[in-house]
Amino acid sequence: DVQLQESGPGLVKPSQSLSLTCTVTGYSITSDYAWNWIRQFPGNKLEWMGYISYSGSTSYNPSLKSRISITRDTSKNQFFLQLNSVTTEDTATYYCARSAGYLYYFDYWGQGTTLTVSS
Amino acid sequence: DIVLTQSPASLAVSLGQRATISCRASESVDSYGNSFMHWYQQKPGQPPKLLIYRASNLESGIPARFSGSGSRTDFTLTINPVEADDVATYYCQQSNEDPYTFGGGTKLEIK
Repeated sequence: DVQLQESGPGLVKPSQSLSLTCTVTGYSITSDYAWNWIRQFPGNKLEWMGYISYSGSTSYNPSLKSRISITRDTSKNQFFLQLNSVTTEDTATYYCARSAGYLYYFDYWGQGTTLTVSS
Repeated sequence: DIVLTQSPASLAVSLGQRATISCRASESVDSYGNSFMHWYQQKPGQPPKLLIYRASNLESGIPARFSGSGSRTDFTLTINPVEADDVATYYCQQSNEDPYTFGGGTKLEIK
């Protein structure tokens, strides 16, 4: 069964960078699909942030394009989110999720990790 | 970006009755004969769970009480009959155009 699990620092100071890891089990991230980061703000708004595909190509939400990077470690079957110059508005629950082929709906999700940006 | 507007923001339905949730897109989400609209259920403390993909296709393991319909800019999620376990917030999501966007959510409660 495919499982995704996020991990991260929990708390980051404003202007710093956040780094999150998504560990995938039960499926190789190089076989197929796209591997996404999605966040949910307090108040429950959902925002797609970007993905890294099975081939290593990336796509980012233009609203984040100057601050975001998604990379991977295929040997560990993990992919990563880096978001630079964070502000309090980046406080959210961050999910990693798999999206299906060209249809880009999200069929498997991690449980989410809460990130607070505060000094 | 394509804006998805869900209505109502919340609704209360009696057990055994029908719940209908609407999602309207700011532009068509249809391409190549497909509607790139999907629906999710989220319970407190859990991630969203895929219910319906491509407007009307039931995800594996989802009860047939859930159904989806619509095309172009107007879509509907129907739950019939509503059960107690359906208390949750429901979201629509489009993938016709990057960036992929979500609706604001509809909270379902039992009357």
